[in-house]
Amino acid sequence: AQSVTQLGSHVSVSEGALVLLRCNYSSSVPPYLFWYVQYPNQGLQLLLKYTTGATLVKGINGFEAEFKKSETSFHLTKPSAHMSDAAEYFCAVSDPYSGAGSYQLTFGKGTKLSVIP
Amino acid sequence: GAVVSQHPSWVICKSGTSVKIECRSLDFQATTMFWYRQFPKQSLMLMATSNEGSKATYEQGVEKDKFLINHASLTLSTLTVTSAHPEDSSFYICSARGQPGEQYFGPGTRLTVT
Repeated sequence: AQSVTQLGSHVSVSEGALVLLRCNYSSSVPPYLFWYVQYPNQGLQLLLKYTTGATLVKGINGFEAEFKKSETSFHLTKPSAHMSDAAEYFCAVSDPYSGAGSYQLTFGKGTKLSVIP
Repeated sequence: GAVVSQHPSWVICKSGTSVKIECRSLDFQATTMFWYRQFPKQSLMLMATSNEGSKATYEQGVEKDKFLINHASLTLSTLTVTSAHPEDSSFYICSARGQPGEQYFGPGTRLTVT
C-alpha cells in the first residue's frame, strides 16, 4: 500500500520568500509522483509530475520538485512566493505497476499555503 | 486540451431527494473516470472508479446503492446521490484518466442537502 505524508498542514511565507512544501511517500516500487494545487471551491490543477528520467522536474507558475529516492521525498519549491500562490497544495502518488489500478492516486492531506504581503 | 467539466457546479436539494452530477471529458475520450469526495479542509477521498461500459468499482465503505455511478459513454460519467441527507453534503470532484498515472480533474460540484 502506498501513503503520502505532507509535513505541515499550514505554511506561511512572506511575499518574495522561498516556498518549501514537504512531501514524503511510502511505496514498495518506484512511484509516479504529483503535486496539485487547489484554489477555493475549485478542482485540482496539476503543477508538476515525476514519472521517470530527470529527478528535478519543473512545473507551472515557477514551481519545481525533486524526487529523492533515498529520502523517499518529493518536496515542492518556488524561489519567490507570489500572492497568487496562496492555495491548498496536494502531493499524490500512484503505482505504475499495479495494472488496472495504476491510475489511482493516493493523496496527502494537503498543505495550505498563505502568502503574507 | 484534456478539459473535464462538471455540472452543476453547485446544487442545493432537500433531504430525501436524489441529485445527479455529470462529469464530461470535453476534448478527449475517457475510458476511466474517478469520483472523489472532499470534506472541508480535508483531502480527497476516492469513492469509486468508473470504467466505460462496465460497473463501477467502489472503495471500501462507500455505499454503492446510495452513490450510483454510470459511465455510459467515453465522454460522460454520472454520479447520482440517492435519497440525499445532510451528511451527504460535500464537494464532489471527478477526474478522467489521462497519461500514465495522470488524472485530469473537473472543477467540482458543491452539494448542500437541507
